[in-house]
Amino acid sequence: QKEVEQNSGPLSVPEGAIASLNCTYSDRGSQSFFWYRQYSGKSPELIMSIYSNGDKEDGRFTAQLNKASQYVSLLIRDSQPSDSATYLCAVNMGGGSNYKLTFGKGTLLTVNP
Amino acid sequence: NAGVTQTPKFQVLKTGQSMTLQCAQDMNHNSMYWYRQDPGMGLRLIYYSASEGTTDKGEVPNGYNVSRLNKREFSLRLESAAPSQTSVYFCASSVDYSNQPQHFGDGTRLSIL
Repeated sequence: QKEVEQNSGPLSVPEGAIASLNCTYSDRGSQSFFWYRQYSGKSPELIMSIYSNGDKEDGRFTAQLNKASQYVSLLIRDSQPSDSATYLCAVNMGGGSNYKLTFGKGTLLTVNP
Repeated sequence: NAGVTQTPKFQVLKTGQSMTLQCAQDMNHNSMYWYRQDPGMGLRLIYYSASEGTTDKGEVPNGYNVSRLNKREFSLRLESAAPSQTSVYFCASSVDYSNQPQHFGDGTRLSIL
């Protein structure tokens, strides 16, 4: 069964630190990768998409993809209490007409003031 | 832009009652999805519609039916609600059924007594 694995956490970091969230996936043919943020009681919100190996930066967020090792990570620099949320990794397991977006169960991040 | 709109936001049903959850998107997306989210289980795909006029089963379709009414609207029906269907339901849409991210509505919290 194709899977996306994340540490459930909670991951606790002090304000201003770098938070590192990791995700591994089982399908070597996966082509697209997404990070969603979900505040308690709210819906998932897309924060990053990454399709190629390497780093992609957007403000305080950096997504890192290593297809050979089958992992994708999200770094949050200068973490703020407002970053406290559950972060969901989503992977498109299969390409083209075999598209199937599979979500991990999420990592709970707590940023302490 | 409203994005993806779900109605209702909250609902309490009795076992055996039927109900339709409504979803509409104004982003001109071709593909739409219904998920349920339960504690410890993550997001699980119930049904999806890759394009107007098509619907397919996801991971957990039993007890549900869907209708893609037009390009904008995708409804989810519970014919005879069961307590096991107590969950938070999310509708999502994407540009098409490929390597595109999905965008979520605010969710419907459904309790079945």
